[in-house]
Amino acid sequence: KAGVTQTPRYLIKTRGQQVTLSCSPISGHRSVSWYQQTPGQGLQFLFEYFSETQRNKGNFPGRFSGRQFSNSRSEMNVSTLELGDSALYLCASSSGDSGPETQYFGPGTRLLVL
Amino acid sequence: LAKTTQPISMDSYEGQEVNITCSHNNIATNDYITWYQQFPSQGPRFIIQGYKTKVTNEVASLFIPADRKSSTLSLPRVSLSDTAVYYCLVGGWNTGNQFYFGTGTSLTVIP
Repeated sequence: KAGVTQTPRYLIKTRGQQVTLSCSPISGHRSVSWYQQTPGQGLQFLFEYFSETQRNKGNFPGRFSGRQFSNSRSEMNVSTLELGDSALYLCASSSGDSGPETQYFGPGTRLLVL
Repeated sequence: LAKTTQPISMDSYEGQEVNITCSHNNIATNDYITWYQQFPSQGPRFIIQGYKTKVTNEVASLFIPADRKSSTLSLPRVSLSDTAVYYCLVGGWNTGNQFYFGTGTSLTVIP
């Protein structure tokens, strides 16, 4: 099976702009989670989508939003970009069934806000 | 919400066994403990997962005491390629739970 893919891999934006990141999960996986990774804060959970519904949410402002499509692909949007949004954004997929699961991570999208 | 604490860094010589401990005092009944490995500029990679007692796979062992307030990842006979950051994740998979990665432990394997 193909792994989790994320596009684009690198992105440069300026403050005030918005950005949309895309994640394609492993085939058959219905859960997609998003994380932000920065040197100062480490890996922080943004939100999780399951069957097109947001199932879990971390402590990020409303500028960070996401959605999931019927084919389980997910997009994350950040509006009104700030310098502090510069980070590696990671997407992870899992089957979404109840009980313990293994999350499979994509390579990430590195966002630089100037 | 279960948060985790790990040592920030560790050094080890090649061939030695390495034990990394994670503290999670507020772990909930339905939380599992999962460890990931991450190399620079890559996404984390699953190592091992457990709920209680001991779990072993082909790359590592996970020890969880009865009170589940901590866990220890054991890497046998490390090599240079094991130099990476190791994260402890505690979380359940039910609606309303959140997922926290630990601070991560940067392991450096020395020749």
